[in-house]
Amino acid sequence: AQKVTQAQTEISVVEKEDVTLDCVYETRDTTYYLFWYKQPPSGELVFLIRRNSFDEQNEISGRYSWNFQKSTSSFNFTITASQVVDSAVYFCALLYSGGGADGLTFGKGTHLIIQP
Amino acid sequence: DTAVSQTPKYLVTQMGNDKSIKCEQNLGHDTMYWYKQDSKKFLKIMFSYNNKELIINETVPNRFSPKSPDKAHLNLHINSLELGDSAVYFCASSQEGVDYTYNEQFFGPGTRLTVL
Repeated sequence: AQKVTQAQTEISVVEKEDVTLDCVYETRDTTYYLFWYKQPPSGELVFLIRRNSFDEQNEISGRYSWNFQKSTSSFNFTITASQVVDSAVYFCALLYSGGGADGLTFGKGTHLIIQP
Repeated sequence: DTAVSQTPKYLVTQMGNDKSIKCEQNLGHDTMYWYKQDSKKFLKIMFSYNNKELIINETVPNRFSPKSPDKAHLNLHINSLELGDSAVYFCASSQEGVDYTYNEQFFGPGTRLTVL
């Protein structure tokens, strides 16, 4: 069975602070995919990143960075110099290699509040 | 040129009614999905469908049925609506990659269903 845990239900920081959102996953598959999605207050789901299980390189995209560690089954997301527009619910999700048509398994989300 | 569109955006109806939500994607993707987001923001896969198979999450009541008139559309029909069906329903699509790899799913804007 697949499982994604986002232990942080809500995080509140002041603008310009760095913040890390944790994601821990469980899967028996050796080939799988990890994703992060952002859901702003307007409600849409915005794709941020995909990482497959064979690619443990960390990735940086502007103020966003992701740290994938298979040894701890974690795929954490860091926002540097946070901005008010980063306020949203962030979801980590897992897809296993044989389950493309089975859909994503989502974590419960972390509500990030950036205060001005 | 919206990638994944859903109609209607809001749907308010009485218990016991039958309703449909439409989804269309213009990305040329071969797989489409329906997800349900409950009041606690938890996202769960309901169905996935491509031209080969329909996969139904076993927890979905048989009052829910997906209908795909063609590759670009996957509509969701719900019979005998219940109070507990109130949620936001998201349609998504993705394209299977080379060698059975899986790409990110693109989500529609969501349909907020309220059952009174």
